Amino acid sequence: QVTLRESGPALVKPTETLTLTCAFSGFSLSTSGLCVSWIRQPPGKALEWLALIDRDDDKYYTTSLKTRLTISKDTSKNQVVLTMTNMDPVDTATYFCARTVYVWGTSRPNYFDHWGQGALVTVSS
Amino acid sequence: QSALTQPASVSGSPGQSITISCTGTSSDVGSYILVSWFQQHPGKAPKLMIYEVDKRPSGVSNRFSAFKSGNTATLTISGLQAEDEADYYCCSYGGYSSVIFGGGTKLTVL
Repeated sequence: QVTLRESGPALVKPTETLTLTCAFSGFSLSTSGLCVSWIRQPPGKALEWLALIDRDDDKYYTTSLKTRLTISKDTSKNQVVLTMTNMDPVDTATYFCARTVYVWGTSRPNYFDHWGQGALVTVSS
Repeated sequence: QSALTQPASVSGSPGQSITISCTGTSSDVGSYILVSWFQQHPGKAPKLMIYEVDKRPSGVSNRFSAFKSGNTATLTISGLQAEDEADYYCCSYGGYSSVIFGGGTKLTVL
């Protein structure tokens, strides 16, 4: 059974750095073709893909936030961590991590087949 | 990359069929079969309903079908049921290992 769970602060102040952890089970990041993504959703708004990391430690980021995001992994702990610097109230959102399946033999993300329940992060002073 | 374009809302009566369109560009939807659809109920995580344009994951009802033509992908839900009322999002590979989501469509079952 594949499960993912996000954890992190519910409230951060403007300009602070957000650190979120995705703890997962039921699969390994050392498995070819699998990776983990972070996706966020502001209240009442659409989903936005943020970043992904794969077993080779290759990392990909959405262009608009690339300078503020860092994704990392601890394969032995089955965890993926996302940091976002210089938080702003517009970054208030539910942050999801999701298991991501690559197109076989490529680094093209294909689909997100398992999601965590999400972590709501509010940015406010 | 801009978000894929979806209608803000659609509605239908129980038993009817509805379609939700998802329009991208020749750089995303038009270039790849890597189009997927998600269902999201309020307060819940998205659920994968369709991947690779028209494939259903195990356990997803065959009332859900989809196809793509050019830069537009379309989701069809037939035999509408009350439980189908949710938000629906399309998603496409956007090149250079990136992903783009649509703006979302709220489905109301009348």
